[in-house]
Amino acid sequence: SQTIHQWPATLVQPVGSPLSLECTVEGTSNPNLYWYRQAAGRGLQLLFYSVGIGQISSEVPQNLSASRPQDRQFILSSKKLLLSDSGFYLCAWSVLNGYEQYFGPGTRLTVT
Amino acid sequence: EDKVVQSPLSLVVHEGDTVTLNCSYEVTNFRSLLWYKQEKKAPTFLFMLTSSGIEKKSGRLSSILDKKELFSILNITATQTGDSAVYLCAVGSGAGSYQLTFGKGTKLSVIP
Repeated sequence: SQTIHQWPATLVQPVGSPLSLECTVEGTSNPNLYWYRQAAGRGLQLLFYSVGIGQISSEVPQNLSASRPQDRQFILSSKKLLLSDSGFYLCAWSVLNGYEQYFGPGTRLTVT
Repeated sequence: EDKVVQSPLSLVVHEGDTVTLNCSYEVTNFRSLLWYKQEKKAPTFLFMLTSSGIEKKSGRLSSILDKKELFSILNITATQTGDSAVYLCAVGSGAGSYQLTFGKGTKLSVIP
């Protein structure tokens, strides 16, 4: 069966510090991968998605970036965090050409 | 721009009640509508409705899709305290990237 992992589960970082969140998927090949942010009182906002290694599409201009160095690994990064980057970050996967997305446990990021 | 609107934003019911959650959408090239349940952390997948599957049922939960009127409902019968969660509606459009647009969710609280 498929499993999706995210770490860390929680993170407190000062403004201006770098960020690296990692997501890995097991039990499937060639998945579509997604990064979402969920801010308090708001819906899920799609940040990035990837249909293959090295292929990243950005939905929202911001100081975040994403990379997919391996088929089942997706990384969200920032060089300098802003207060507005606080939120709940979720990674998700779907089969290639599929709409059903399955979410990881999430990372709660607080920027202080 | 694709839009998904859920109502009500929050709802409090007693155990045993039946509830109906609403989701309306405006998207180009509609392909699918999905329902998720989000408790403390990651959303978990409930149903996917498409043109070829406009009604789904699983236990006490059921959902229908009205493609003509552009909405879906999620029904929960004989509610239990374990049904307390945020219910998210998402719509997939045929833009070739299999992205989902999420609504802000309905927070359901079931009290004993």
